[in-house]
Amino acid sequence: VQLVESGGGVIQPGGSRRLSCAASGFTFKKYTIHWVRQAPEKGLEWISLINGQGGTSYADSVRGRFTISRDSRKDSVYLQMNSLRTEDSALYYCSKEHYTGWPNLDSWGQGTLVTVAS
Amino acid sequence: SSELTQGPAVSVALGQTVRITCQGDSLRNFDASWYQQKPGQAPILVIFGGTSRASGIPDRFSASRSGITASLTIIGTQAEDEADYFCNSRDSSGNHVVFGGGTRLTVL
Repeated sequence: VQLVESGGGVIQPGGSRRLSCAASGFTFKKYTIHWVRQAPEKGLEWISLINGQGGTSYADSVRGRFTISRDSRKDSVYLQMNSLRTEDSALYYCSKEHYTGWPNLDSWGQGTLVTVAS
Repeated sequence: SSELTQGPAVSVALGQTVRITCQGDSLRNFDASWYQQKPGQAPILVIFGGTSRASGIPDRFSASRSGITASLTIIGTQAEDEADYFCNSRDSSGNHVVFGGGTRLTVL
């Protein structure tokens, strides 16, 4: 199993960015994929999930600003982030649910760093 | 409540037993999972479904729950167990995930 995030960078407040998570090594369409972020020297914060049928859920902190999606042809999940704030600065991980279901997250990427600053 | 509360830090002597706790109302209805994170690394799943060890996790790690408190216990703590430990679960609605704030384990 491998998850590879990309798309991070430095973005100005109010700006937008799309993160990608490329998955391999498992039957992608069967599993719920999550985005979890971690600000520097801080804890883990769950952001969003998308299940195999395209159902989604969001944390209150990002609902209405972030949109999660998936493309089964590319075995990829995306996180469209709009109206970015300085407090959105973090390392963003994508993770895969364990076969027993979420919130058990058994595989994680190495993360992509998002910095929101002027 | 949608929060999970963990103590910020705990220390243990090499070879001794340590318990890390995670408290939250949602644990009354949902199992906790536990993750280990070492500096500069992604988290790894240690315990899933409340009490089951993930693949490759040594049997010195175990977990339990009493009421709204979940516990991760390490018996015979090794130097390589020094890390941050996070719990997670579903929130009270069951529709979202919530993480505890994490506990830093120091092995003396």
